[in-house]
Amino acid sequence: DGGITQSPKYLFRKEGQNVTLSCEQNLNHDAMYWYRQDPGQGLRLIYYSQIVNDFQKGDIAEGYSVSREKKESFPLTVTSAQKNPTAFYLCASSDRVAQPQHFGDGTRLSIL
Amino acid sequence: RKEVEQDPGPFNVPEGATVAFNCTYSNSASQSFFWYRQDCRKEPKLLMSVYSSGNEDGRFTAQLNRASQYISLLIRDSKLSDSATYLCVARDNEKLTFGTGTRLTIIP
Repeated sequence: DGGITQSPKYLFRKEGQNVTLSCEQNLNHDAMYWYRQDPGQGLRLIYYSQIVNDFQKGDIAEGYSVSREKKESFPLTVTSAQKNPTAFYLCASSDRVAQPQHFGDGTRLSIL
Repeated sequence: RKEVEQDPGPFNVPEGATVAFNCTYSNSASQSFFWYRQDCRKEPKLLMSVYSSGNEDGRFTAQLNRASQYISLLIRDSKLSDSATYLCVARDNEKLTFGTGTRLTIIP
C-alpha cells in the first residue's frame, strides 16, 4: 500500500542532543513537508521541499535542519538549538507543492 | 489576527443531528481551501477540497464565500464516528495555512 511512514512513533531527547526523525513515502510525490503541532495550536510549517536536493524554510525553521537526497526520504533533525522541541511532528507529501497533502502518523518528541 | 480562524468548540451534538461550522481567513489571495479531520493523537486526513461553487460528498457539504472570506462545513445525519477535530486549510501559492481546528463530539 502506498503511504508515508514516520519513525519512531515516540522519541525522547536529552538536553543538548540532536535527534533525527525519519519520513519515507512511496507515493512518488515530488513535494514533502514537516510540521509541528502543539496543543491548542494549528500545524506550523518547519521546512518543505519541492524537489530532490532542494528545500525551503517554513515559518519556524530555527533549530531544525533537513535534507532531501532522495525523492522518497525527507528526514528532519531537531538540533540542540531548538529550545522547546516537545511537540507532535508530522511529515506530509503531495504530488505538487500545496496540493492536498497526505500525512504520516507522526512522531511525538519529548525531552528527558 | 490569525490567518485562519476557527471556533475551537467543543461542539457536542446528538447523533443524527446536522452540524455546521465556519472558518474565516484573512488572506484574500488564498486560492484554494480544504477541510481535514484529525482524530485524537492521530494525523490529519483530507476530508474534502472546497470549490468555489460548493461541493458535496455524501453527508458532508463544503461552501466557500469569498466576499466574506469564510468557508463552511456542514455534516448531516451525524454519526458517532464523525467525532473528531476538523481543520480548515487555506492555500496561497505554495503555502498552506492550517486553522487550530474545531472539536466535534457526537453524543449517542
